[in-house]
Amino acid sequence: GAVVSQHPSWVICKSGTSVKIECRSLDFQATTMFWYRQFPKQSLMLMATSNEGSKATYEQGVEKDKFLINHASLTLSTLTVTSAHPEDSSFYICSGGGSTDTQYFGPGTRLTVL
Amino acid sequence: GQSLEQPSEVTAVEGAIVQINCTYQTSGFYGLSWYQQHDGGAPTFLSYNALDGLEETGRFSSFLSRSDSYGYLLLQELQMKDSASYFCAANTDKLIFGTGTRLQVFP
Repeated sequence: GAVVSQHPSWVICKSGTSVKIECRSLDFQATTMFWYRQFPKQSLMLMATSNEGSKATYEQGVEKDKFLINHASLTLSTLTVTSAHPEDSSFYICSGGGSTDTQYFGPGTRLTVL
Repeated sequence: GQSLEQPSEVTAVEGAIVQINCTYQTSGFYGLSWYQQHDGGAPTFLSYNALDGLEETGRFSSFLSRSDSYGYLLLQELQMKDSASYFCAANTDKLIFGTGTRLQVFP
């Protein structure tokens, strides 16, 4: 199957700082990528749909000014958590693929905000 | 709203068969997927049903009934390594994940 990478795999930051997470499709082009957040022992919650060359589409309840998404190329989408707070600590996962029935997930980024 | 409900936890012994159910209420639905996730890892794709009926992939099978808004994942010949969380997901213009089922396999 196709490969999606994420960087970093884990990050610890102080409250109030911003953190950028990269999601790359290594062997395919992705006009659309999805960003999920997963709290411990819970399901994956879709945060936003990242569209190459245009604005991301955010799910209800997700603050677009706090979770900045940029999809500047067909192989890279970034999620920036701005002014992070401890409640933003979570596992962030991206996915990409031709359609939702062939989504390939990145390995995830564990964010801890102190 | 859109929702997919699963039992929170299932336990079984090695070699047994287990069924994980998923009932859904979504719009724009065109199929049901199943994913496995080990602790600390990313979801991995298991199966996809676009049509009603049973899809078999090795030890795992998945079933869909659109008229009942219901599906299930059947795991046979359980192994210890099958201990993980399992999620159904509705395929719409995006993937909507179910509440998840934690499967524990005991020796």
